[in-house]
Amino acid sequence: AQSVTQPDIHITVSEGASLELRCNYSYGATPYLFWYVQSPGQGLQLLLKYFSGDTLVQGIKGFEAEFKRSQSSFNLRKPSVHWSDAAEYFCAVGGDYKLSFGAGTTVTVRA
Amino acid sequence: DSGVTQTPKHLITATGQRVTLRCSPRSGDLSVYWYQQSLDQGLQFLIQYYNGEERAKGNILERFSAQQFPDLHSELNLSSLELGDSALYFCASSVGRETYNEQFFGPGTRLTVL
Repeated sequence: AQSVTQPDIHITVSEGASLELRCNYSYGATPYLFWYVQSPGQGLQLLLKYFSGDTLVQGIKGFEAEFKRSQSSFNLRKPSVHWSDAAEYFCAVGGDYKLSFGAGTTVTVRA
Repeated sequence: DSGVTQTPKHLITATGQRVTLRCSPRSGDLSVYWYQQSLDQGLQFLIQYYNGEERAKGNILERFSAQQFPDLHSELNLSSLELGDSALYFCASSVGRETYNEQFFGPGTRLTVL
């Protein structure tokens, strides 16, 4: 069975500081991995995705993620956070027929 | 704006009732997915339709059903509602039917069961 763990429920970061959100997945085959962002009152928006190839993936809004097969991880990073990055972030693994989402990490940005 | 529309935005109803949630996918997308987001269960996949046919089922209760119409819009029917069905219901759409296709999410329908 496929599953995703996001160990951090809530992260607070200062504006301009770097951000790293952790994601660990479980899936028997090569996974399709995604990061989505959900702003308050909005639906989910895709930040980036990994299928194969280069393990460092660039996404929208200055985000990047690195796939590490040995650690079953797909962590999301941003070098310098903006106040508009305050949102909830979801990691997801695409298996045979569905996406499975983690519980999400809420990011608060302080001035 | 993802291009996926959902109606209504909010729905308040009583236990035992039946409701219908509606979703219009992005133009050109053939797949429609339904998800339930609640505080205790998180974001759960319910069901997927591709070009009018049911393609995949997730944690969907027997009291819930869905369909996709020839114009590709979809409806999620929830019956014999319980308090625990209160949640945000998302519809998403994608071009293809495989999980590697990017899914575009609608703004959701917030269902409150009293």
